[in-house]
Amino acid sequence: DAGITQSPRHKVTETGTPVTLRCHQTENHRYMYWYRQDPGHGLRLIHYSYGVKDTDKGEVSDGYSVSRSKTEDFLLTLESATSSQTSVYFCAISDGVGTEAFFGQGTRLTVV
Amino acid sequence: TQLLEQSPQFLSIQEGENLTVYCNSSSVFSSLQWYRQEPGEGPVLLVTVVTGGEVKKLKRLTFQFGDARKDSSLHITAAQPGDTGLYLCAGALSDYKLSFGAGTTVTVRA
Repeated sequence: DAGITQSPRHKVTETGTPVTLRCHQTENHRYMYWYRQDPGHGLRLIHYSYGVKDTDKGEVSDGYSVSRSKTEDFLLTLESATSSQTSVYFCAISDGVGTEAFFGQGTRLTVV
Repeated sequence: TQLLEQSPQFLSIQEGENLTVYCNSSSVFSSLQWYRQEPGEGPVLLVTVVTGGEVKKLKRLTFQFGDARKDSSLHITAAQPGDTGLYLCAGALSDYKLSFGAGTTVTVRA
């Protein structure tokens, strides 16, 4: 299995609080992605990174920010969590565009 | 609106029947991937198709990439309960984004 770890695996937080999810990889892959998965929507891209300090927005980036200060870590931050951000969040890594993406186990986030 | 449109959204069939899942887009992709996801897990790659018109077979699964590289299909022959899962297509554009379709939930009844 690809070395990719998400933390935490589960989190319940209150509306308005900041939340940071972490994705850590040991594969030295260049590309890292954050997705959210909701019923009927499949995986929707939030943000992605194509190198250290190189990030860009995906399809549903509003309310989220990311940072990548090291190759192995990609952080997703919800500055002020809302109930609409309740979802399962997946991190993925890949070595090149169009190559296999490896996914973490997911983080189930509930905003109450 | 998602870049990749999958159909149908849900598919429930009896063991031994065949099924086809479609993935369509107005964009041209250099490659397209199919993933399968089980409950509580992340998606796992099944196949990557690269050449327009390409057909790849993986045991009872057949994947086809359209000639114009805008669409793809997944066909399962003689489905088994173990084929149950969420099937997702994914495509990458030149800006490094890897976008997914909404997925097709396949249920194979014993």
